[in-house]
Amino acid sequence: EPEVTQTPSHQVTQMGQEVILRCVPISNHLYFYWYRQILGQKVEFLVSFYNNEISEKSEIFDDQFSVERPDGSNFTLKIRSTKLEDSAMYFCASQTGNYGYTFGSGTRLTVV
Amino acid sequence: RKEVEQDPGPFNVPEGATVAFNCTYSNSASQSFFWYRQDCRKEPKLLMSVYSSGNEDGRFTAQLNRASQYISLLIRDSKLSDSATYLCVPRRALTFGSGTRLQVQP
Repeated sequence: EPEVTQTPSHQVTQMGQEVILRCVPISNHLYFYWYRQILGQKVEFLVSFYNNEISEKSEIFDDQFSVERPDGSNFTLKIRSTKLEDSAMYFCASQTGNYGYTFGSGTRLTVV
Repeated sequence: RKEVEQDPGPFNVPEGATVAFNCTYSNSASQSFFWYRQDCRKEPKLLMSVYSSGNEDGRFTAQLNRASQYISLLIRDSKLSDSATYLCVPRRALTFGSGTRLQVQP
């Protein structure tokens, strides 16, 4: 069964450092998403991406965040200057047609 | 107003029980939904789609009641492995609610 792959599974970074989270969506999917989940809280939408551009973004997705699809397969989330409150599980998802999302297994980001 | 409302639970049921959750939605134009399950510290996984005709997959049955604007998920013969948080999401929605937590006990 096709899957969404995320790397790394865990990332520890110092406050103020830049991090890049990587995702390989399912190859024939057209829509890509980043979500995050702070421990004990609900899954929060960050951004959606279609046709090589951002289609929607939430209030969380401020200037510190950016997304890229640098080639035909990777989809990245960059956080420029991490804060303690960015510590969370970050999920990538992809989707096509009328089907639901397929999520990756996530990257646990810990900012110290 | 939230797109969907779910009882957060937890629903504590014994193994083998039948359990049902409801999810009310606010947008009367919504015509299809998804149920996801999320295990603790794992990603949400698509459980099933729900259209006007409902859907059944093994022990799981989902129904859409458009008149009352809710969808339901029925789990028969519940297993310990069904313990998870169940999330309902309208098809075009980007946001997820907090879901309903199910704990199946031996």
